[in-house]
Amino acid sequence: AQSVTQLGSHVSVSEGALVLLRCNYSSSVPPYLFWYVQYPNQGLQLLLKYTSAATLVKGINGFEAEFKKSETSFHLTKPSAHMSDAAEYFCAVKKGAQKLVFGQGTRLTINP
Amino acid sequence: DTEVTQTPKHLVMGMTNKKSLKCEQHMGHRAMYWYKQKAKKPPELMFVYSYEKLSINESVPSRFSPECPNSSLLNLHLHALQPEDSALYLCASSQDEYYNEQFFGPGTRLTVL
Repeated sequence: AQSVTQLGSHVSVSEGALVLLRCNYSSSVPPYLFWYVQYPNQGLQLLLKYTSAATLVKGINGFEAEFKKSETSFHLTKPSAHMSDAAEYFCAVKKGAQKLVFGQGTRLTINP
Repeated sequence: DTEVTQTPKHLVMGMTNKKSLKCEQHMGHRAMYWYKQKAKKPPELMFVYSYEKLSINESVPSRFSPECPNSSLLNLHLHALQPEDSALYLCASSQDEYYNEQFFGPGTRLTVL
């Protein structure tokens, strides 16, 4: 079975600093990988997805993620944090018709 | 239109009530999903409909009854719920069960008294 591990349930950065949210997956074959963002009392919004076309994936709101097969990682980064980035972030993995498997989530706090 | 809509936004019900949650999408997607999300937790899959047929039931109690009247609509009928069923209920859709990108609605915040 596939699984996703997000390192750090809570990450806090200063406004303007680099954002790095970590995600590792376990799968014998590279799956499709996703990052979703959830703002308070809202649904999930897709930030970006990896579907084997390119290892560096650019998403919305200035976020990007790099797929590293050797490290089974798909970490999410943003060069400069903005106050509006404060939210819950979920990494997720899926293969074929198998269900979408979410990590436990990382709450991102931005300090002024 | 790349939106999944859900109604109502909030719902408060007693344990003896019967209510329904509604989800709609007009993206031509043929797979639709119900998730339950408790506070500070990731969404948990409840049901999957593929081409209007129930494809997956993740051992959900029978007090939750899904329905897919057509390819654009998904309902979740609620009856005799328990307080522990209070949660955010999210609907999602994707092109099909194999196409991997799921689009989520804003959710219905359910409180069971």
